[in-house]
Amino acid sequence: AQRVTQPEKLLSVFKGAPVELKCNYSYSGSPELFWYVQYSRQRLQLLLRHISRESIKGFTADLNKGETSFHLKKPFAQEEDSAMYYCALNTNAGKSTFGDGTTLTVKP
Amino acid sequence: GAGVSQSPRYKVAKRGQDVALRCDPISGHVSLFWYQQALGQGPEFLTYFQNEAQLDKSGLPSDRFFAERPEGSVSTLKIQRTQQEDSAVYLCASSLETVLSGNTIYFGEGSWLTVV
Repeated sequence: AQRVTQPEKLLSVFKGAPVELKCNYSYSGSPELFWYVQYSRQRLQLLLRHISRESIKGFTADLNKGETSFHLKKPFAQEEDSAMYYCALNTNAGKSTFGDGTTLTVKP
Repeated sequence: GAGVSQSPRYKVAKRGQDVALRCDPISGHVSLFWYQQALGQGPEFLTYFQNEAQLDKSGLPSDRFFAERPEGSVSTLKIQRTQQEDSAVYLCASSLETVLSGNTIYFGEGSWLTVV
């Protein structure tokens, strides 16, 4: 069975500091991984997916199959990055398994 | 509307009462998902529709939970004889194509259910 672990419930950094939100997964097949973000009073929305290998709002995430990780990184955090972040794993069947989320607070 | 719409946004039900939660997906979206999110946890998959066909209902926690999408657009999640453990946010999501396409999934704002 698939599982997604986000070890940090809360993460706090100062503006301009680097930030890394950790995500580890377990899945026997070929994983398709995503990061979702939920800003205050807004709905859950896709931030990025590993297949696209894109950078969104300065965030990147690299799939490391050896370490079964998909950590989200940003070199210089901004106050508007404060939000809840969820890592999710899709199976071929389409359903997503989510981690329990990390609340990121970027202090001025 | 431009996004996935859910109603009611907030529902307080007495234990034992039946509730119905509605989801209006983005027009033309083939795939529709329901998730349950308990406080402090991530969303958990309940069920998936491709058009009107319910292809996966493996996440429904008990036979008190029932979902339908009779015309391939609007979907209803029904919970019978609600229990306190059913208290959660129920999220609906839709995507343009089938899940195998890997396209973006759009979430609604959720229906907050509290069972007292």
